[in-house]
Formats: sequence, C-alpha cells, structure tokens
Amino acid sequence: QKEVEQNSGPLSVPEGAIASLNCTYSDRGSQSFFWYRQYSGKSPELIMSIYSNGDKEDGRFTAQLNKASQYVSLLIRDSQPSDSATYLCAVKEGYNFNKFYFGSGTKLNVKP
Amino acid sequence: KAGVTQTPRYLIKTRGQQVTLSCSPISGHRSVSWYQQTPGQGLQFLFEYFSETQRNKGNFPGRFSGRQFSNSRSEMNVSTLELGDSALYLCASSLTGSTGELFFGEGSRLTVL
Repeated sequence: QKEVEQNSGPLSVPEGAIASLNCTYSDRGSQSFFWYRQYSGKSPELIMSIYSNGDKEDGRFTAQLNKASQYVSLLIRDSQPSDSATYLCAVKEGYNFNKFYFGSGTKLNVKP
Repeated sequence: KAGVTQTPRYLIKTRGQQVTLSCSPISGHRSVSWYQQTPGQGLQFLFEYFSETQRNKGNFPGRFSGRQFSNSRSEMNVSTLELGDSALYLCASSLTGSTGELFFGEGSRLTVL
C-alpha cells in the first residue's frame, strides 16, 4: 500500500509569518506531486503541482520537491487568516491515469 | 465555466439499502474520478473513468461500482450499505487522463443509519 504521510497538526502561525507544511511518500517511482487546500465543509482545490526536484514558486506559495528523500513541502509566505485550512499532499500514481494517494492533511491556523 | 456538479448533496440511507450518486464533470473533461473522504481514513481513491472505461480501481469491495456515460457524466453506486459507508463522496474531473490536475465537486455526503 503506497503511503503519503503528513503531520495532522494543527500548525499555528501568526499572521505574516511563513507556514511550512511537509509531506513524505513511500513510492520511490512517483513523479507527480500536488498540494490541495480544503476549507472546512468544502471540497479540495488545487494550489500547486510539482514534478521536478527543486522549488516552484507561485505567488505566496512555494512547493519544494526532493525525490531522493521522498519529501515534498509547501511554504506559505506572509500567511493570512484566509489561509487557515487543511492542506492535503497528493501523489499521483503512474503517467496515463489519474489515481492519487492523499495524505491525511495538515490543519493550518493563521492567527490574526 | 461551470464546475463539477454532484447530486444529491446530502442523503440519508439505512443499512442494506443502495445508493446512486451522480457527477457531471467540467465541460470538455473526459476523466472522472471518485474518492471517499472520512475523518479516519482521509481521501481514498475509488475508481477512475475515462471515455466510458474504468481505468483504475481502488481497494474497495465490489459493492462499490461506477460507470461513465458518453457525455462524460458519471455515476457511482453502493449496494448493501453498511454503517462504515457513511462518508463524503467526492467526484473529480480532469481534462485528460494524465495531467493530474483534479477539479473536485462539492461532494455528496452520505449518512447510513
């Protein structure tokens, strides 16, 4: 069984700080990685995807991937109270179909 | 552009009954996946359909089934409901079968009594 592990949190950060969310995965052959945000009572929405080792930046969000360590992270700069949500790490299996393994999610609380 | 539409949004069933959930993907999207979300297990993959064919299936019993129609709309069915089937069932659509970018519907919350 392929696994995706996340610290469930909650992770509490003050407004304006950097929030760091981490994820490890078990399948060394995985190639595609995603971060989803899920507000309470809502469905997940895609924040970022990352496929290559290194950093990928999109606005206040930076995804980091280290395939050798089987580690994915998401940094949120200048955290806002509106960022308070559960962040799900997802790892895609294979290339030609959409089957994902999701972590259990990290709950982020940004305090004003 | 309309998003992924799931119906019904909420439903209550009793043990032993069956249920059918519907999902209309984003226009032009051909891949539809179904996930079960529970507090204890998180999001778990049920199955994926692409061009009316089931391409992959998760580790769920045969009571869980699905299908996709020629217009890409999809249905999933759960027969002989058990208490443990209470969950949020999420449908996700994707433009192709390989981009990996899923767009989720709001889900169907099933309660089994």
